[in-house]
Parts: sequence; structure tokens; C-alpha cells
Amino acid sequence: AQSVAQPEDQVNVAEGNPLTVKCTYSVSGNPYLFWYVQYPNRGLQFLLKYITGDNLVKGSYGFEAEFNKSQTSFHLKKPSALVSDSALYFCAVRDNTGGFKTIFGAGTRLFVKA
Amino acid sequence: EAGVTQFPSHSVIEKGQTVTLRCDPISGHDNLYWYRRVMGKEIKFLLHFVKESKQDESGMPNNRFLAERTGGTYSTLKVQPAELEDSGVYFCASSQVPRMNTEAFFGQGTRLTVV
Repeated sequence: AQSVAQPEDQVNVAEGNPLTVKCTYSVSGNPYLFWYVQYPNRGLQFLLKYITGDNLVKGSYGFEAEFNKSQTSFHLKKPSALVSDSALYFCAVRDNTGGFKTIFGAGTRLFVKA
Repeated sequence: EAGVTQFPSHSVIEKGQTVTLRCDPISGHDNLYWYRRVMGKEIKFLLHFVKESKQDESGMPNNRFLAERTGGTYSTLKVQPAELEDSGVYFCASSQVPRMNTEAFFGQGTRLTVV
């Protein structure tokens, strides 16, 4: 079965430090991977995606993600965290068994402390 | 351009009552999706409309849930009768074309609490 795992419920980081939010996936065939963010009282916002090509993908707000096929991971990273990055982050993969639904992880809450 | 709009933003109802959630997709988007996040768990797919047709409703939990999209514009998701386990955040998303490599645009969600 296709799935996404976000092993950390919460990540705490100090402002200015680098951050990593972990994600691993399980799909058959080529994965189409996404990161979304949900700020308080807002909807899910698209951050970035990996489709093919360069393993390092750059997205919105200075975020990037590294696709690692051998480790089936797609970790979200940012070199220098901001307090305003505090939010709920979801990793997702497109279900390629038919249809166009997206399979999400459980989410990781990021707290950035000033 | 207006984004995906959902209302109400919050709804508190008693067990056994009926609730109807509404989603207005981005204008021109034929594809509309409903998802649900229950109690801090993963966001789960409910169903997918292409215009007014149900393309995939494999995620609908049971027959207490009814989704419609008359005229291929806005969609409603009705829960009747509501049960406690239906509490959660219901998200709607839309996209112009259903491709594997395109992202969908999400609304802010409706938080449903069944007491």
C-alpha cells in the first residue's frame, strides 16, 4: 500500500538555526512528492514538489527538500528558521495506482523559538 | 483571483443532526476534491469530482456522507446523521487539470465538531 510517514509529531528549533522536517514514503513506481504547510487559521498551502530531475528541490519561503530514492525520503529543509515558519507541515505523495488523489502524512508541527 | 473557499469555517452540531459543508473551487477548475483530517491524524482523501461527475469516491467512509456538485461549480458535503467520529477538519481542493505532477489548491477547511 502506498503511504507517507512523518516520524516526528513536533520539531523545535531556535530562530536562525537550520531546520529539517522528515518524511519517508512508500509507493510503487516513480513518486510524485509534495510538501504543504498550514499556518494557523489558514488552508493548506503548496510549498514545493518533486517530479523528476534534480534531487534538491527549491520552493516557497526559502524552503527546499531533498529527494533520496535509496532511502525513500523527502525531507524538508531550511538553512535559517524564522519564527514565522512555525506551522503544521504535511508531506504528501500522489497515488499512482489510479485516480489523482493525494496521500498525506500525519503532519509535523514546527515550533521556531525566538 | 479568489482561492478555494469553504464555509462554514466552524460547525458544532449534536450527534444525530445533519450538517452541510460547502466548497467553492477556483473558477474554471473542473476538478474538485474533498479530504478530511481526524484528530491529528493524516489527511485522508474522500472523493474527487470532475465537473459534476464523481470520478473517485473510494474514500467516502459510509453512506451517511453525501457529496454533490450540481452544475459542476460549487460542491456540498452532507453528513446525515452525524456521529462523534465524524469530527475533524474537512478540506476541499481544486485543480484545473488532473495530472500526477500538478498540485491542488486547498481551502482553509471546515472544522466540524460533533458533540
